[in-house]
Amino acid sequence: GAVVSQHPSRVICKSGTSVKIECRSLDFQATTMFWYRQFPKQSLMLMATSNEGSKATYEQGVEKDKFLINHASLTLSTLTVASAHPEDSSFYICSARGGSEWETQYFGPGTRLLVL
Amino acid sequence: GQSLEQPSEVTAVEGAIVQINCTYQTSGFYGLSWYQQHDGGAPTFLSYNALDGLEETGRFSSFLSRSDSYGYLLLQELQMKDSASYFCAVRDSGANNNDMRFGAGTRLTVKP
Repeated sequence: GAVVSQHPSRVICKSGTSVKIECRSLDFQATTMFWYRQFPKQSLMLMATSNEGSKATYEQGVEKDKFLINHASLTLSTLTVASAHPEDSSFYICSARGGSEWETQYFGPGTRLLVL
Repeated sequence: GQSLEQPSEVTAVEGAIVQINCTYQTSGFYGLSWYQQHDGGAPTFLSYNALDGLEETGRFSSFLSRSDSYGYLLLQELQMKDSASYFCAVRDSGANNNDMRFGAGTRLTVKP
């Protein structure tokens, strides 16, 4: 199956620091990428959807100025958590899908963020 | 709006059969998927049903009834390594970019 990578896998930072997470599709062109957040023992919650070259569409309640998403190419999307605070500590997972709406969504391995 | 309902927890013994149900309500519907997630890991794709009926892949099978907005994941010959959370997910054709929405997850515990 298709492979999606994320970097870093784990990050610990001080409060107020900005953190960038990269998501790459390694063997296919990801027309659409999705960013999810998962708190312990909870489900995956969609934060935003991005199409290559377009502005991201954010879910209700997700601050676009705090969670900056860039989908600059068909293989790379980045999520930047601006001025992270302890409540932003979570498991962030990206997902990528090819051009067809019928195609499977593949998930990256996730990035565990801990803000001290 | 959209919602997916699935049981929060299921416990079974090794070798048994378990069925995890999922009912959904969406404005549009492209298909029902199932994902497995072990603690600390990312979700891994198990199955996808776009049409009514049963799809079998090894020990796992998935069923869909679009008229009932219902599906289930069937796990046979349970093994200890099957202990994980299982999420049903629906691709909502009425949502932006037909994105995938997840249920709350069912935590399966397999006991010896």
